Amino acid sequence: DSGVTQTPKHLITATGQRVTLRCSPRSGDLSVYWYQQSLDQGLQFLIQYYNGEERAKGNILERFSAQQFPDLHSELNLSSLELGDSALYFCASSPMGGRDSPLHFGNGTRLTVT
Amino acid sequence: DAKTTQPNSMESNEEEPVHLPCNHSTISGTDYIHWYRQLPSQGPEYVIHGLTSNVNNRMASLAIAEDRKSSTLILHRATLRDAAVYYCILRAPLYGAGGTSYGKLTFGQGTILTVHP
Repeated sequence: DSGVTQTPKHLITATGQRVTLRCSPRSGDLSVYWYQQSLDQGLQFLIQYYNGEERAKGNILERFSAQQFPDLHSELNLSSLELGDSALYFCASSPMGGRDSPLHFGNGTRLTVT
Repeated sequence: DAKTTQPNSMESNEEEPVHLPCNHSTISGTDYIHWYRQLPSQGPEYVIHGLTSNVNNRMASLAIAEDRKSSTLILHRATLRDAAVYYCILRAPLYGAGGTSYGKLTFGQGTILTVHP
């Protein structure tokens, strides 16, 4: 168990809808990362937050947004969903703070858009 | 981000050592070398990381070439549970107002390791 909790585990929705994925980082970790994994694209970095502030951005679509709250949990919002958004979405956390440290990943949310 | 090159797949027999190679000829002096693995239907799992010196932990060993342009992940005795996709990743520093920290991991295609009983 990595200590990173993602909910829900599975989500099935229709095109055009909006969903929210939630991530609770490991206790004490200040940084949260979101990744998308689809069969044809592999693991793609979306966005990183550190202590509530955005630190790095990957190829995140404009239809997607994220935030990290004061209690350090994070949410990834996906709107105007398309069939191609079907994928596994992983959240990871790390302590950060001036020295290198590994990322710990949750078991993901599987999103199916029909 | 500096790029890594790994073989698409490797095979091993159970209880034998496995050496997984990674080339990273454009690595910069401040990049850490990270290894993660992903078992089927799970999130990636941290294996080991290092900067210049060889590293050992309970899961594996990391051997880093003297010029740092390549590295090798060593599983000393492969088990069936080690069958996974192994990713070699370079992690670059992030310089910000709060000082230096390390940011995202950029995953490549990885090496699919098959372990035979």
